[in-house]
Amino acid sequence: GQSLEQPSEVTAVEGAIVQINCTYQTSGFYGLSWYQQHDGGAPTFLSYNALDGLEETGRFSSFLSRSDSYGYLLLQELQMKDSASYFCAGGGSARQLTFGSGTQLTVLP
Amino acid sequence: EPEVTQTPSHQVTQMGQEVILRCVPISNHLYFYWYRQILGQKVEFLVSFYNNEISEKSEIFDDQFSVERPDGSNFTLKIRSTKLEDSAMYFCASSRQGSNTGELFFGEGSRLTVL
Repeated sequence: GQSLEQPSEVTAVEGAIVQINCTYQTSGFYGLSWYQQHDGGAPTFLSYNALDGLEETGRFSSFLSRSDSYGYLLLQELQMKDSASYFCAGGGSARQLTFGSGTQLTVLP
Repeated sequence: EPEVTQTPSHQVTQMGQEVILRCVPISNHLYFYWYRQILGQKVEFLVSFYNNEISEKSEIFDDQFSVERPDGSNFTLKIRSTKLEDSAMYFCASSRQGSNTGELFFGEGSRLTVL
């Protein structure tokens, strides 16, 4: 089976840096993706890690360590609009994603 | 910018009724998916579809569910006899041919309420 664990909630202030962790147990693993979801709307793809290391996309970075079955999403220079749910997703195939339980990020002024 | 569109945005139905949720994936995408999200919970995979057949499906996708691509643009999810526990947001998604990054393009969802 597949399972991905994340913290349920994270709170930070505007301008700060926050890290959202994800640990996974999967039978087969193609890589780790991250999605953002505002208010139950369409999940939006943020990033993907196939190999160990850090991937940077603007204010967002994502890290993967396959040996530790661990990854994280790093959000820098937090803005109010970053308040949302963040999901890590992975599994044996990119065509059958298993999502984590989601982390609700609240950005305070 | 191309997007995945879903209809209806919200449907209320009685238990035991059939429901069809409709999706128009992005036109040059070849992989199509249905996911669902029960309120406040995680997004769950239901089924993937490629080349006019089901590619993968989860345990949730039992005989009550079916998918179809009736023409060149629409992709539908049918629930034959709805149960209370089918109440959820149903998301359609599509991805490009050859994509292996887990980058799915999701629609805004169809909220199904079963009474």
